[in-house]
Amino acid sequence: SSELTQDPAVSVALGQTVRITCQGDSLRSYYASWYQQKPGQAPVLVIYGKNNRPSGIPDRFSGSSSGNTASLTITGAQAEDEADYYCNSRDSSGNPPYVFGTGTKVTVL
Amino acid sequence: EVQLVQSGTEVKKPGESLKISCKGSGYSFTNYWIGWVRQMPGKGLEWMGIIYPGDSETRYSPSFQGQVTISADKSISTAYLQWSSLKASDTAMYYCARHFGPSRYYSFGMDVWGQGTTVTVSS
Repeated sequence: SSELTQDPAVSVALGQTVRITCQGDSLRSYYASWYQQKPGQAPVLVIYGKNNRPSGIPDRFSGSSSGNTASLTITGAQAEDEADYYCNSRDSSGNPPYVFGTGTKVTVL
Repeated sequence: EVQLVQSGTEVKKPGESLKISCKGSGYSFTNYWIGWVRQMPGKGLEWMGIIYPGDSETRYSPSFQGQVTISADKSISTAYLQWSSLKASDTAMYYCARHFGPSRYYSFGMDVWGQGTTVTVSS
């Protein structure tokens, strides 16, 4: 099975832009979805497909992909964006069918 | 409103069995895969497996194959995750989530999540 690797932690100044990356072989074939998880809460889907936001997700969240890397960008980070972020994608081997990334803790300074 | 509601907190002893549930409402339960996700204390998300309630097709991560059983009762729109013999290492939060996408075998991701079920296994 493949793995999805993320940087453990990133920080961003309030109002600035931060990019979170997710690397894995399966991303050459499949889009990633991205999840935000705040302490004590269930994850929330923020980006899926090429660059789609579910209803209610602010447009400061965007997604992109190139080669074996998927990225989640927060443009104009807000204090409420401080959270853990996980990518998820199909596994190119199909076993397991899906896999999560290792997670990135985003701190807004 | 589309939602998944999970059963409550469980405290069990090693060796005991357990079945936790995830009830869907507000949508056609049989037409969306339901996945289970583990989060051990202070750790990341782990994808465990999925079930298609329409015909109970099930797939597991190799890490969880043989360790848990995923099932569903479409008549009551409920999916289950069960253990026959719990271990202390099963202590975690467990989430169910709905996979969505343009077709049965292409998921965009998980758009609806349950609130989570805390399972504590301790002697």
